[in-house]
Amino acid sequence: GAVVSQHPSWVICKSGTSVKIECRSLDFQATTMFWYRQFPKQSLMLMATSNEGSKATYEQGVEKDKFLINHASLTLSTLTVTSAHPEDSSFYICSALPDRGNYNEQFFGPGTRLTVL
Amino acid sequence: TQLLEQSPQFLSIQEGENLTVYCNSSSVFSSLQWYRQEPGEGPVLLVTVVTGGEVKKLKRLTFQFGDARKDSSLHITAAQPGDTGLYLCAGAWGGGADGLTFGKGTHLIIQP
Repeated sequence: GAVVSQHPSWVICKSGTSVKIECRSLDFQATTMFWYRQFPKQSLMLMATSNEGSKATYEQGVEKDKFLINHASLTLSTLTVTSAHPEDSSFYICSALPDRGNYNEQFFGPGTRLTVL
Repeated sequence: TQLLEQSPQFLSIQEGENLTVYCNSSSVFSSLQWYRQEPGEGPVLLVTVVTGGEVKKLKRLTFQFGDARKDSSLHITAAQPGDTGLYLCAGAWGGGADGLTFGKGTHLIIQP
């Protein structure tokens, strides 16, 4: 149980285009999901908290108009990187917090490698 | 911004040796998790600790939460090459559904 999937696993796009990344909880419902970013040789950094049916909450320094988050159902959150630039190239990882889980135990997806040319 | 310090960042030891990884904060955690991450993959949850003084074991891995809930340790006994990987501690301080703050991670290499 507690499986989280992400799609796509990797994507290459041209500068200025938009890219959508999907995060799904496969065997549980998650009102709350999170999006993290990980640069090479670095740890994960929280970008935003995604709540089903309400607006996402963004961490300081993360542009909400650039990283659009939609959490339309209890099993799906999407992150859209708009007008992507090379500096947005990174490993994007989502996590999901089971509605019937313990404490703050989050389960992570396998990540999406974004390369912006 | 809450800070979480993890040490050491790199550790290379021989098979069969023991090791300990530390995770510290100046603030009280509401919960703390330990994850293991392989290259190109997402972190995999190893354990969650929430009670001060708590000790949890996962085969040769022992996780301890400090009495004051400001620190945690991961101890591996008789390390094996299969233990090689990136170990991450991650904490939350809010008590609710909070995003996690991750330590910088410990890159562990176990040499045969």
